[in-house]
Amino acid sequence: DAKTTQPPSMDCAEGRAANLPCNHSTISGNEYVYWYRQIHSQGPQYIIHGLKNNETNEMASLIITEDRKSSTLILPHATLRDTAVYYCIVRVVGGTGNQFYFGTGTSLTVIP
Amino acid sequence: SAVISQKPSRDICQRGTSLTIQCQVDSQVTMMFWYRQQPGQSLTLIATANQGSEATYESGFVIDKFPISRPNLTFSTLTVSNMSPEDSSIYLCSVEAGFSGNTIYFGEGSWLTVV
Repeated sequence: DAKTTQPPSMDCAEGRAANLPCNHSTISGNEYVYWYRQIHSQGPQYIIHGLKNNETNEMASLIITEDRKSSTLILPHATLRDTAVYYCIVRVVGGTGNQFYFGTGTSLTVIP
Repeated sequence: SAVISQKPSRDICQRGTSLTIQCQVDSQVTMMFWYRQQPGQSLTLIATANQGSEATYESGFVIDKFPISRPNLTFSTLTVSNMSPEDSSIYLCSVEAGFSGNTIYFGEGSWLTVV
């Protein structure tokens, strides 16, 4: 079952940083935080994941609070093509039976 | 990453019929997952399919309605049986891949409309 809380929608001006928050107050010590996005009519796309340290890749940065109860996905320079639904998921890595359960996500609209 | 192909990409089905969706992966993977996404909704996990064992179904999904096959490490099928309009959804195949199996990747989905 989904263990995360996200705002249902957000707007961001094109070229600005988009900061998408996620609360996961019941996260366990061995659960990672994952972010996916789904552009309309497409399958979800992996963005980034992390355990406790901040992570950065070519798509985004992930900032996890020290107590790990919340995180923020940062798209540094949002473009119109970043308009999508963004899902924050917590999941144990390794072993069997560790599925990805999706919550309702945040619908991000990038405005020209 | 993994490249995942689903067939059909889109179909219109008659009420009461069954349709089998195929999922082909370009590399061998242990775990495959089937999701459903109803119109305007988030993704719901239907079942986990491991090669060589019976699929494990989530609460609310049963094998008689959604039989799954997993004959090898690169292929799986999901059948939607005795369809009704409520089964109109996107059905998505995903696989666990990446270093230490730490990420899942999705196909583009199969859009089913039941009339």
